[in-house]
Amino acid sequence: DAKTTQPPSMDCAEGRAANLPCNHSTISGNEYVYWYRQIHSQGPQYIIHGLKNNETNEMASLIITEDRKSSTLILPHATLRDTAVYYCIVKPGNEKLTFGTGTRLTIIP
Amino acid sequence: AAGVIQSPRHLIKEKRETATLKCYPIPRHDTVYWYQQGPGQDPQFLISFYEKMQSDKGSIPDRFSAQQFSDYHSELNMSSLELGDSALYFCASSQNSRLAGKASADTQYFGPGTRLTVL
Repeated sequence: DAKTTQPPSMDCAEGRAANLPCNHSTISGNEYVYWYRQIHSQGPQYIIHGLKNNETNEMASLIITEDRKSSTLILPHATLRDTAVYYCIVKPGNEKLTFGTGTRLTIIP
Repeated sequence: AAGVIQSPRHLIKEKRETATLKCYPIPRHDTVYWYQQGPGQDPQFLISFYEKMQSDKGSIPDRFSAQQFSDYHSELNMSSLELGDSALYFCASSQNSRLAGKASADTQYFGPGTRLTVL
């Protein structure tokens, strides 16, 4: 699976958009970009995934660059409940998730 | 919507004892994954099953075994428990469309986890 690089930590003011970057320069053509988050000791929560096109759901938006070497997860209006560790994972479908160290996002009141 | 169910939620065992963790996937999901998360660590893949057959294996100790049953639920059996086995154990399930020659996305949904404490 392709390796990903994320900043170890970020802060965001409550009510603002949180933009979480991820680099995956060695991504292969059949690999998807997945985002999960883990709120303290809870089970990881699926957020969104994409292959080439930008994606949006009720939780977030995923912007993937044209060359697919990086992506950004956008939480449009961050709340205190969005404080969590966010994991960007690149993998083919139907395979295990390999978690890196993720980005610890803190939402500040 | 129905989620992944794990039982028990908490388990306390002594060293050298055995433990069995259970996972009930989301209805119509045919694939189960097990992950282990030690204190202060990120989740690590242990093993997975697709249609009751082992599909992948990670850093799972030989003391651990797992299986998936005909109703797709899965059990993780842990023997000769050690202090270092104390961790959160997560199960995830997905519905796979294994279309030959095509990249298909599978989305794994996680259960709440079982916290195992070995004393």
